[in-house]
Amino acid sequence: QVQLRESGPRLVKPSETLSLSCSVSGGSISSSANYWGWIRQAPGKGLEWIGSIYYNGRTYYNPSLKSRVTISGDTSKNQVSLKLNSVTAADTAVYYCARQEYSGAWDRLKWFDPWGQGALVTVSS
Amino acid sequence: DIQMTQSPSSLSASIGDRVTITCQASQDISRNLCWYQQKPGQAPQLLIFDASYLKTGVPSRFSGSGSGTYYTFIISSLQPEDIATYFCQQYDNLPLVFGGGTTVEIK
Repeated sequence: QVQLRESGPRLVKPSETLSLSCSVSGGSISSSANYWGWIRQAPGKGLEWIGSIYYNGRTYYNPSLKSRVTISGDTSKNQVSLKLNSVTAADTAVYYCARQEYSGAWDRLKWFDPWGQGALVTVSS
Repeated sequence: DIQMTQSPSSLSASIGDRVTITCQASQDISRNLCWYQQKPGQAPQLLIFDASYLKTGVPSRFSGSGSGTYYTFIISSLQPEDIATYFCQQYDNLPLVFGGGTTVEIK
């Protein structure tokens, strides 16, 4: 079965760039059936979609974060990556990557399943 | 953006009780809605998609229904292992938006 694991620095200084990778096993990010998404959850808060990437590099971002976010994929490593620049304390959160169901017929990004275990990233000096 | 209003934000129920959670969308989302369960310290897990379809392996005490702007998630008989926070998510339009969550506790 597909498993995802986030990795990267857990402490980032304000104004710097948060960088995380998501390694996928048991499945391929080159599959046309799926997007690969990033979602975050601030401590004690709800879920916020950050963005998603398709195997051909097509990306969609949440407008609330779009100016600061880049999501990329590396098919040779079967990984997707997240970069969020100019971070502040408000970006402190658990960051999840997840496989996303995609309907090509409707060009619709759908639900997330499964999710990685998540990575708590703290923004602090 | 579509807004998802989930209620209640928390509830306390006894084992065996029927639990109902609702999500109201700010516009018609045509059943493009799913439900997740998040246990403490864990990642969310998909339970229901397309408003009412149970993911394979999910216990049948969980169910979903609804149409248009109003959707319901039901646990027919609450079990101790159902203690968690439940979220809805709409995927009718971008940006994808989650409900605020409902924390279910045992009375």
